[in-house]
Amino acid sequence: EVQLVQSGAEVKKPGESLKISCKGSGFTFTNYWINWARQMPGKGLEWMGTIYAGDSDTRYSPSFQGQVTISVDKSISTAYLQWSSLKASDNAIYYCARMTSLVNWFDSWGQGTLVTVSS
Amino acid sequence: ETLMTQSPATLSVSPGDRATLSCRASQSVNNNLAWYQQKPGQAPRLLIFGASSRATGIPGRFSGSGSGTEFTLTISSLQSEDFAVYFCHQYSNWPTTFGQGTKVEIK
Repeated sequence: EVQLVQSGAEVKKPGESLKISCKGSGFTFTNYWINWARQMPGKGLEWMGTIYAGDSDTRYSPSFQGQVTISVDKSISTAYLQWSSLKASDNAIYYCARMTSLVNWFDSWGQGTLVTVSS
Repeated sequence: ETLMTQSPATLSVSPGDRATLSCRASQSVNNNLAWYQQKPGQAPRLLIFGASSRATGIPGRFSGSGSGTEFTLTISSLQSEDFAVYFCHQYSNWPTTFGQGTKVEIK
């Protein structure tokens, strides 16, 4: 069974760093692009960026370029999304999702990670 | 970027009735359009890709149509498990973008 399992909810203070994860199983991880998307409270999804697990080729949405870093450790089939300095506006649920090629639909999603940033 | 506009924001439907959801793109996305279902606290689930192709395991009551800028998701006879939020996704133009979602609720 194809699964993307994300790390658990996080509560952080503004200015703190954070790295959340997305572990794939049930498929050849290195054959897929892993995407990250943000869903702010009561809002729609925003695509943040994607990484090809096979060679770490990474693309970012212009809205998120420089704001986050996407990485992958293919030895453990895990993709990451990280922040160096969180802001209150980063409060959201973050989803990972896989796609088979760079221009494609997302055929399997993680369960989401709630990030709460509050002083 | 390509703006995806879904309507209505909320659709109240009785079980067994037909539901028609719309998605409009600000520029052509050809047929590079997907639909997803999301229930509270759950991951989104792919329903339709390529505007009209059902994903594996998706019941036949779900159908998609359209091309260019106008798309429709139809649920022919709503079941209790279909009450959820549905959102469209274009993957034709970079960056990929999503609609804001249509909530299908019980009337």
